[in-house]
Amino acid sequence: QQQVKQSPQSLIVQKGGIPIINCAYENTAFDYFPWYQQFPGKGPALLIAIRPDVSEKKEGRFTISFNKSAKQFSLHIMDSQPGDSATYFCAAYQDNTDKLIFGTGTRLQVFP
Amino acid sequence: DARVTQTPRHKVTEMGQEVTMRCQPILGHNTVFWYRQTMMQGLELLAYFRNRAPLDDSGMPKDRFSAEMPDATLATLKIQPSEPRDSAVYFCASGRGTAYNSPLHFGNGTRLTVT
Repeated sequence: QQQVKQSPQSLIVQKGGIPIINCAYENTAFDYFPWYQQFPGKGPALLIAIRPDVSEKKEGRFTISFNKSAKQFSLHIMDSQPGDSATYFCAAYQDNTDKLIFGTGTRLQVFP
Repeated sequence: DARVTQTPRHKVTEMGQEVTMRCQPILGHNTVFWYRQTMMQGLELLAYFRNRAPLDDSGMPKDRFSAEMPDATLATLKIQPSEPRDSAVYFCASGRGTAYNSPLHFGNGTRLTVT
């Protein structure tokens, strides 16, 4: 049972494009939504995170949009660069369970 | 630069053999998680510990997997007997308190191949 559904599975954009990765969840008890970035041969690393009391969070070229009523959130990468090529995971966390549940990941390739 | 250390980085073994993966969490971190990564399932939570006590191992196949923290600097994940379907990358991650307070820091994983 996949508690956090992520799409697309893979994404190819040209440099300067704006890739968008989408995630959806069912459990309304989730109260923290981070995104992790993973490069080949490495473990995932925290990129940006949002709590459900805000609808958008921006850090540099990375923006999370959050729609609480639709139980969806998405990652936008502005002015994407080849160095952004990586796998991106959305995740959801429920404070009273201590568990961070990940989506299935999106492999992003940014071509020059 | 503090990091989570996992050993070995790669392991190839034959079906039926015992496999032990080790993790050294970041000093001062009191939560430790084991995740398994496959193409089909993404990152699955297998087990986690807080202050060395196992809190949840519901994601692990109980008959063959076991996770322990013999001390605060070492976490282990054992598979006995291993099967080809266990082939995956196993990640250890550590944190301080809850995910709100500090992000999870992942090691670089152990790539396990069971033939």
